[in-house]
Amino acid sequence: SAVISQKPSRDICQRGTSLTIQCQVDSQVTMMFWYRQQPGQSLTLIATANQGSEATYESGFVIDKFPISRPNLTFSTLTVSNMSPEDSSIYLCSASPGLTNNEQFFGPGTRLTVL
Amino acid sequence: AQSVAQPEDQVNVAEGNPLTVKCTYSVSGNPYLFWYVQYPNRGLQFLLKYITGDNLVKGSYGFEAEFNKSQTSFHLKKPSALVSDSALYFCAVRDMINDYKLSFGAGTTVTVRA
Repeated sequence: SAVISQKPSRDICQRGTSLTIQCQVDSQVTMMFWYRQQPGQSLTLIATANQGSEATYESGFVIDKFPISRPNLTFSTLTVSNMSPEDSSIYLCSASPGLTNNEQFFGPGTRLTVL
Repeated sequence: AQSVAQPEDQVNVAEGNPLTVKCTYSVSGNPYLFWYVQYPNRGLQFLLKYITGDNLVKGSYGFEAEFNKSQTSFHLKKPSALVSDSALYFCAVRDMINDYKLSFGAGTTVTVRA
């Protein structure tokens, strides 16, 4: 299994500012993902973080709003840019060690509140 | 495209009674199915998975799930529920053909009363 840590665990931010969330995996993984989860709701995939290339975004999410970096096989960042109260949510990092029949492991999440 | 459905928003059981959380799926090709649990203010924890083989899969914390191809179901079960099993449960299916992404169900809140 992979152990995933995220920083910060929570933050309260002002409208119009940006926040960068860090995700660190304790071992090299093939795939990393970023999700958003409204409290008590299901997970929505934001993007797949690709090592050494641009992230692959899901419908409704764009790079200007959610820039993602993945400089190596154990680390990724998600930035929430120009925040509004609608961005208040839990942001989860996930990693999959391999491509075939491997589960995804999840970080503890970052709880973001935008005022 | 693959999808999962969790028909029950909430499941309430008494401690010691059997617990079942329902999940049905829709995929093209062979399904890769997963159950995750989320405790309050925590990330998702992996419970179990079905890839191939025995239809009854055993996982963490005494949970098991039964894969039923004819009914396209993957229900999560526990013979004797504990109060500590109260949490949010997600069923998920993974696309192993196109992009390896997980698609999650809406989630089922389980409450086990003492």
